[in-house]
Amino acid sequence: EDQVTQSPEALRLQEGESSSLNCSYTVSGLRGLFWYRQDPGKGPEFLFTLYSAGEEKEKERLKATLTKKESFLHITAPKPEDSATYLCAVQAVQGAQKLVFGQGTRLTINP
Amino acid sequence: DAGVTQSPTHLIKTRGQHVTLRCSPISGHKSVSWYQQVLGQGPQFIFQYYEKEERGRGNFPDRFSARQFPNYSSELNVNALLLGDSALYLCASSLGGEPTRQYFGPGTRLTVT
Repeated sequence: EDQVTQSPEALRLQEGESSSLNCSYTVSGLRGLFWYRQDPGKGPEFLFTLYSAGEEKEKERLKATLTKKESFLHITAPKPEDSATYLCAVQAVQGAQKLVFGQGTRLTINP
Repeated sequence: DAGVTQSPTHLIKTRGQHVTLRCSPISGHKSVSWYQQVLGQGPQFIFQYYEKEERGRGNFPDRFSARQFPNYSSELNVNALLLGDSALYLCASSLGGEPTRQYFGPGTRLTVT
């Protein structure tokens, strides 16, 4: 069974304090790994898709990386507006019509 | 361009009742997926429809059903509601048959009392 585990469950940082969120996954064959951002009471907002180990993608203060067993979302010099829940999801080769999500990491950036 | 829209925004139902949730995908998108998100958890896949056909079903009981209409909008129906069905129901649309890049709607918050 495909599984995604995110850590930590919650993270509090000071503005400007860089850190990383972890996403560990077990999947029969990886078709894609996705990162989403979700604000309270809203639907997830797409951030990145990674397809193969060694791939990296960046967007503003966020950088996502992928290995064969895990993905990291690095946040550099975060601002309060980066506060949100960050969700990781995998798309498997078998069952490619669905995404399997982790439980998310709730990130709070204090000014 | 309008994003994915869902209605209603909030809904309160009693145990045993049934509910219908609606979703309109982004214009031009032919695939709609439904997810259930319980508070504090990640979304869990319920159904995917592409070109009006069911392409995938998650581990949900037969009380859950869905359909997609010729204009690609979709309905999710849940019968015999249980307290455990209380959740945020998310609809996502994508251009093709795979969730390569899914756009999520704001969700419908269902509370079962």
